[in-house]
Amino acid sequence: DQQVKQNSPSLSVQEGRISILNCDYTNSMFDYFLWYKKYPAEGPTFLISISSIKDKNEDGRFTVFLNKSAKHLSLHIVPSQPGDSAVYFCAASARGSQGNLIFGKGTKLSVKP
Amino acid sequence: DGGITQSPKYLFRKEGQNVTLSCEQNLNHDAMYWYRQDPGQGLRLIYYSQIVNDFQKGDIAEGYSVSREKKESFPLTVTSAQKNPTAFYLCASRPYLRDDQPQHFGDGTRLSIL
Repeated sequence: DQQVKQNSPSLSVQEGRISILNCDYTNSMFDYFLWYKKYPAEGPTFLISISSIKDKNEDGRFTVFLNKSAKHLSLHIVPSQPGDSAVYFCAASARGSQGNLIFGKGTKLSVKP
Repeated sequence: DGGITQSPKYLFRKEGQNVTLSCEQNLNHDAMYWYRQDPGQGLRLIYYSQIVNDFQKGDIAEGYSVSREKKESFPLTVTSAQKNPTAFYLCASRPYLRDDQPQHFGDGTRLSIL
């Protein structure tokens, strides 16, 4: 059973608008959440993370929101740029799991000029 | 320039053949990981190692083997027992000190069956 779910396989957004990527999780032991960005034929690149003691973390155009009661996190990209077009993976790890990550299946973001 | 190097970028395997994928890092990271990615799927953990000469199975270890003789190197062997080896393989590393450190990835090896 999937512990980390990205229910939208794809998302299309106009350049300059906000992109919102969503992720749900089922394991209440998860305490560290990450977003990775991946281009075809390349490895994932770390984007931003959030600890379970916070509900928001911001880095430039990227903001991650965590709603622990709903077991939901989201990545906001504002403003979206064509170079943001990639597959975005949500990942989570649990305390004591030695940093092992559980990944969602990814959401393909297309930002149109 | 520090990073994770995976080689080769593309690899072809004949039926019944073992192949070894290379992963080298110069980030001085203690922990190293191997993942497999299939089309439309997330990354699934094959093996991981927290320190030299020690490694543990991940979720899909059957048909794979690893070694960790040096801190910098974590090669993955895809054995003939792995019946569906065609996939994109990713190596990652991370400092071991704290759980809240992200893993950093190499650029992957694409393995195909001839």
